[in-house]
Amino acid sequence: NAGVTQTPKFQVLKTGQSMTLQCAQDMNHEYMSWYRQDPGMGLRLIHYSVGAGITDQGEVPNGYNVSRSTTEDFPLRLLSAAPSQTSVYFCASSYSKNEQFFGPGTRLTVL
Amino acid sequence: QQQVKQSPQSLIVQKGGISIINCAYENTAFDYFPWYQQFPGKGPALLIAIRPDVSEKKEGRFTISFNKSAKQFSLHIMDSQPGDSATYFCAAWRKGSQGNLIFGKGTKLSVKP
Repeated sequence: NAGVTQTPKFQVLKTGQSMTLQCAQDMNHEYMSWYRQDPGMGLRLIHYSVGAGITDQGEVPNGYNVSRSTTEDFPLRLLSAAPSQTSVYFCASSYSKNEQFFGPGTRLTVL
Repeated sequence: QQQVKQSPQSLIVQKGGISIINCAYENTAFDYFPWYQQFPGKGPALLIAIRPDVSEKKEGRFTISFNKSAKQFSLHIMDSQPGDSATYFCAAWRKGSQGNLIFGKGTKLSVKP
């Protein structure tokens, strides 16, 4: 199993550009989440999904969109990138509350 | 508002010593409390977790103590080793929600040889 994979690993955007961060898992987990990690702020939940076709907002959803058309994939879209979205983004998946598996992260810089 | 408060922000411990990291939560809407360990450049990984009906859980050198009435829980690392140097996050799952995990801000632990 590859676990949770994220692409790209690094990305530089200009303000106003849009992009999609990809996340995939091969563990058949129903639950998937996106977090951003900023220095001194811990991990903050952006959006999450409890199954294909079902998504909900977390703590910091503004400026981000998600969709879940399959169990395996949970892409995160930045509609119009802003410097405040410079961060490390982690995708995670879980079968239950016992363990959430995290991907390796995408380091995003918005100029 | 911050619903899970973690302290200290950073911690330096000598090899063989005990590392203690504390967390407090602000309401009773949580039903599972994991701790995650993160090494630089990596994603967090589950270390140990506890349910609120249990006061203590031990796995090897790692112990969680849970005080439900005080809404506090802590991680103790016994016989701390340089390989334990990492950032540790406490977290709390919202009741009835499989996707909603709230994290503390993290503690950077350095274990000196």
